[in-house]
Amino acid sequence: LAKTTQPISMDSYEGQEVNITCSHNNIATNDYITWYQQFPSQGPRFIIQGYKTKVTNEVASLFIPADRKSSTLSLPRVSLSDTAVYYCLVGDRDDKIIFGKGTRLHILP
Amino acid sequence: EPEVTQTPSHQVTQMGQEVILRCVPISNHLYFYWYRQILGQKVEFLVSFYNNEISEKSEIFDDQFSVERPDGSNFTLKIRSTKLEDSAMYFCASSDGGEVEAFFGQGTRLTVV
Repeated sequence: LAKTTQPISMDSYEGQEVNITCSHNNIATNDYITWYQQFPSQGPRFIIQGYKTKVTNEVASLFIPADRKSSTLSLPRVSLSDTAVYYCLVGDRDDKIIFGKGTRLHILP
Repeated sequence: EPEVTQTPSHQVTQMGQEVILRCVPISNHLYFYWYRQILGQKVEFLVSFYNNEISEKSEIFDDQFSVERPDGSNFTLKIRSTKLEDSAMYFCASSDGGEVEAFFGQGTRLTVV
């Protein structure tokens, strides 16, 4: 499993776009990049997964450069309800899911 | 939308007692997991289960822990003799294929007194 590094915490304001970057220098060829979100006292929730370039869904976008050594989760126009911990995970699709400490995102009014 | 359900939502037990945490995974999923999260700490992997057997377990998952899929729908985590340090949120998760997209339940808050 590739080690990931992401900021411990971030603050932003309602209506702003938030970008959370994750470093994964040792990513392997078969590894995918997956992001989860966790609200207080709830289980983690899958947000998005990608392998290369850009992936977009109704919640977020995931940008992955050509070398795949990092990735950026982009949340458009955040609201107070986006306050949560965001986890970046890297692994093969057969790997167990291992969470790091994540990024604690705090949205301010 | 299908969901993973866990019962009970909160359980208080005395140290040394056995507890069983129950989970109903999403019906067509094949991979099942248990995780725990001590208050204020990260989500920790306990065990994964596939094809009616444990496929992987962490160091936390010692002889005091066991998992079972007693029928086609339930997936249980048993702690034989609870310790104070077992107090945590326990999350069950299921997926239809490895790390594609795992669905987590709302958790059971276990308090050992």
